[in-house]
Amino acid sequence: DVKVTQSSRYLVKRTGEKVFLECVQDMDHENMFWYRQDPGLGLRLIYFSYDVKMKEKGDIPEGYSVSREKKERFSLILESASTNQTSMYLCASTLPKGNYGYTFGSGTRLTVV
Amino acid sequence: GENVEQHPSTLSVQEGDSAVIKCTYSDSASNYFPWYKQELGKRPQLIIDIRSNVGEKKDQRIAVTLNKTAKHFSLHITETQPEDSAVYFCAATTSGGGADGLTFGKGTHLIIQP
Repeated sequence: DVKVTQSSRYLVKRTGEKVFLECVQDMDHENMFWYRQDPGLGLRLIYFSYDVKMKEKGDIPEGYSVSREKKERFSLILESASTNQTSMYLCASTLPKGNYGYTFGSGTRLTVV
Repeated sequence: GENVEQHPSTLSVQEGDSAVIKCTYSDSASNYFPWYKQELGKRPQLIIDIRSNVGEKKDQRIAVTLNKTAKHFSLHITETQPEDSAVYFCAATTSGGGADGLTFGKGTHLIIQP
């Protein structure tokens, strides 16, 4: 019963390409998040969203943008991919008060060559 | 913003022994402290959490303690088993339940030796 789905498990893109990472949740959660996970650095927040068309910068938003046109879908966009954006990207969602914790997706391993 | 430090980065214990992972946070306004477990190749999953109005919480072999004065919290796993092998992340937030995002520690790789 997968509840947060990321469209790609592995992705390889070229430097300078525009990259879209998609995340869909079926739990009717208002809050959605994008994190990147790097060895030795833990999980770092890129962007989050309270609701449709709402977005807030996290700790490391540079080089990224997001889109939330529907409640269940939250997209991460790399406008011009660079090699330092090679990473594991994790999407998560939660209820407005954050009760019951986050539900994470399985992650997208992005390699930029 | 919030900063969370986590130690140790790697912890190896004998099966059946106890394991303790420690975290400190910087923002005294933080009020929610969850712990996530990530098995190899899998997504992080919430295993236990504690709010600032509670000093300790237990769930079977897992417990979390919080010292607000010292701004640190710890995860305790007793009677460790092979399935406890994973990377554990602590986190903190000033927003109720992490609705505005969680600040994570860098993770502890727990290895259970048979």
